[in-house]
Amino acid sequence: AQSVAQPEDQVNVAEGNPLTVKCTYSVSGNPYLFWYVQYPNRGLQFLLKYITGDNLVKGSYGFEAEFNKSQTSFHLKKPSALVSDSALYFCAVRHYNTNAGKSTFGDGTTLTVKP
Amino acid sequence: KAGVTQTPRYLIKTRGQQVTLSCSPISGHRSVSWYQQTPGQGLQFLFEYFSETQRNKGNFPGRFSGRQFSNSRSEMNVSTLELGDSALYLCASSSGLDYTGELFFGEGSRLTVL
Repeated sequence: AQSVAQPEDQVNVAEGNPLTVKCTYSVSGNPYLFWYVQYPNRGLQFLLKYITGDNLVKGSYGFEAEFNKSQTSFHLKKPSALVSDSALYFCAVRHYNTNAGKSTFGDGTTLTVKP
Repeated sequence: KAGVTQTPRYLIKTRGQQVTLSCSPISGHRSVSWYQQTPGQGLQFLFEYFSETQRNKGNFPGRFSGRQFSNSRSEMNVSTLELGDSALYLCASSSGLDYTGELFFGEGSRLTVL
């Protein structure tokens, strides 16, 4: 079975400061990892993904994430937070073989960026 | 190109009724997945269809069903509605040809059961 944990329900940062939203996963074999963002009353939007290759992946709106296989983590980062980054963030995992059409999502982390 | 379209966006039903939700994927996408989002349970996978066949199914009771048409549009149906079915139902499409592609979500259908 595959699973994702987002250990923090809420992350608060000041505008201009770096932000990190944590994600750890559990899956047998090599995972495909994704980050999505959800604004109020909207669907989820894709931010970035790790499939293979370079452990540091860059995505939309200045976000990046680092894949760490030994720690089974895929933390989302941004060097300088904006108020407009305030939203609900989801980490998701998909395994290339088992239940491959199914993405498993974490419970989400609410990011609040204060001016 | 046009995004994923879900209809209706909002609906109110009473216990015991049934509901049908519709999803039109991005043109060319053959995979459609459905998720239920609630404050307490997060995003729960319902099922995934690819080329009119159910390829994956989550742990939901048989009251939840779906289908996909030849044009890749998908519908999901919930029969004998319960209060706990109140949720945002999200549809997502992808090419489905491999498992590296991201999901493209619609805005969701918000169901309230009274």
